[in-house]
Order: sequence, then C-alpha cells, then structure tokens
Amino acid sequence: AQSVTQPDIHITVSEGASLELRCNYSYGATPYLFWYVQSPGQGLQLLLKYFSGDTLVQGIKGFEAEFKRSQSSFNLRKPSVHWSDAAEYFCAVGSGYSTLTFGKGTMLLVSP
Amino acid sequence: NAGVTQTPKFQVLKTGQSMTLQCAQDMNHNSMYWYRQDPGMGLRLIYYSASEGTTDKGEVPNGYNVSRLNKREFSLRLESAAPSQTSVYFCASSEEGNTIYFGEGSWLTVV
Repeated sequence: AQSVTQPDIHITVSEGASLELRCNYSYGATPYLFWYVQSPGQGLQLLLKYFSGDTLVQGIKGFEAEFKRSQSSFNLRKPSVHWSDAAEYFCAVGSGYSTLTFGKGTMLLVSP
Repeated sequence: NAGVTQTPKFQVLKTGQSMTLQCAQDMNHNSMYWYRQDPGMGLRLIYYSASEGTTDKGEVPNGYNVSRLNKREFSLRLESAAPSQTSVYFCASSEEGNTIYFGEGSWLTVV
C-alpha cells in the first residue's frame, strides 16, 4: 500500500531564510509526486508535481522539489521564505492507476 | 473560470439529520473525489468516481453515499449525521496523471 510521511508537524522559519520540508513515500512502482499548499480556510492549491524526467522540478511561488528515488524522498525547498508562505503543506503520492495518498501535512510558521 | 465548486460552504446539522453536499466541475475531468480533512489526519479519501457511472469506496466510506449524477457533478450524502462526521469536506477532480484540483471546502458541524 502506498503511504506518505511528513516527519515535521510544525516548522518555524525566519522571513528571508531558506526552507526545506521533508516528504518520504512508500510506493511499489514509479510514483507521481505532488506538493500542495493550503492557506487557512481555503482549499488546496497545487505547488508542483513530478511525473518523470528531470528530478528537480520547479513550481509556483518560487518553490522547487527534488525527487530522490534512492531515498524515497520528495523534499520541498524555497531559498527565501516570505511571510505569505505561512500555510500548511501537503505531500502526496500516486500514479496514473491509483488515487492519491496524502501526508498529514506540515504547518509552516514564518517569524519576522 | 470556476474550476471545482462545492456547496454549501458551511452547515450545522443535528445528530441523525441528513444532508447532501453538492459538487460540480467545469474542467471536463473524468475523475472526481470526496475527501475529508481533520486536524492532524491530513486528507482522507471517502469516495471517488473514476468516470461517469462508476463510484468506488476510499479509505473512510462508512456513513456516506455518493452519486455521480453526470460528468460534471458528484454529490456526497450523509444519511444520518453523527458527531464523528464533523469535518471539512473537499470535492476534487482530476485530469489524466492524477493532478487533482480542489474545491474551496465545506465546513460541516454535527451537534
């Protein structure tokens, strides 16, 4: 069965500092991987996705993620965090033949 | 450019009451989903519909029913609401390759 682990429930980062959110997955085949962001009271917005090819993918709002098959990881990064990035972030795994499985989320807090 | 639209946005029910959450998408997607979101639990799939005329159970289907009315619409029904069904419900739809697009959410409280 596929699963996603986001080890950090909360992360606090100073504005302007770099960010890395961790995501580890378990999947029997080549996975499709996603990062979504959810602002309070809102739905989930797709940040980026990996299906195949280049293992470093670029997304919206200056985010990027790197797929590392050997580590079963798909960590999300941003070089300089803005206060507006404070939100909850969800990693998800699936394929063209299965529904998505989501992690439990990481809440990002941005300090001034 | 509406995307995925779900109604109502907020609802309070008494235990035992029934209600239907409505969802419509205008992206011509084949697949539609209903998720629930609870604190610390992430999103859990209730039911999904891979195409018009088909529905399948997800991770937490008990207490819910769904109807794929046509390609655009996918409704979720609570026949006899329970406090454990207090949650935020998200409808979603997807294109090929599982890129899922979400609605804005429906906040349901069962008292």
